[in-house]
Amino acid sequence: GENVEQHPSTLSVQEGDSAVIKCTYSDSASNYFPWYKQELGKGPQLIIDIRSNVGEKKDQRIAVTLNKTAKHFSLHITETQPEDSAVYFCAASWGDDKIIFGKGTRLHILP
Amino acid sequence: NAGVTQTPKFQVLKTGQSMTLQCAQDMNHEYMSWYRQDPGMGLRLIHYSVGAGITDQGEVPNGYNVSRSTTEDFPLRLLSAAPSQTSVYFCASSYSFQDRTPGIQYFGAGTRLSVL
Repeated sequence: GENVEQHPSTLSVQEGDSAVIKCTYSDSASNYFPWYKQELGKGPQLIIDIRSNVGEKKDQRIAVTLNKTAKHFSLHITETQPEDSAVYFCAASWGDDKIIFGKGTRLHILP
Repeated sequence: NAGVTQTPKFQVLKTGQSMTLQCAQDMNHEYMSWYRQDPGMGLRLIHYSVGAGITDQGEVPNGYNVSRSTTEDFPLRLLSAAPSQTSVYFCASSYSFQDRTPGIQYFGAGTRLSVL
């Protein structure tokens, strides 16, 4: 069946360094790839998204890249700050109302 | 702006009890869904709805029922609670793109459920 794999499950980076989280998806029909950030005790919130007709999208310190041939997409956070510590989820969705989430990455920003 | 409202925030049940988790949205979204979040398992889709009167099963539907009588409300019913249903439950709503791809999911704050 459809699947989204996310790596790593835990990531620790020094404050100011970059963090990269990667996801692969199984269904080539996927055409929308959002990333969500979940802070402790809250519901996930969208931080950036990309559609399949775009290879890269950037919003200040965060960027998402998409490789449709390899069926993977990545989240890049530059100049990390303490408030970036959270759990991050990737997701893939496509027609017929389907959406699947990855298992999440817990990001720790070290002082 | 209320967004997606879930009640209750916390609930403790005994095995075999039934209850309903409430979810309401005020964004006129057609697509609504329920997820459960367990440690190391991410967000797993329980049931979803593409509009009033239409519901469908997700990845883990067993033990749960849903209905969608209005655009705004999408309650989740636990028929006979089991310890395996101890989890955090999130409701979400979204618009859909023209090709029925679900768009940005707006999540509620969650309901933390313990079944003893």
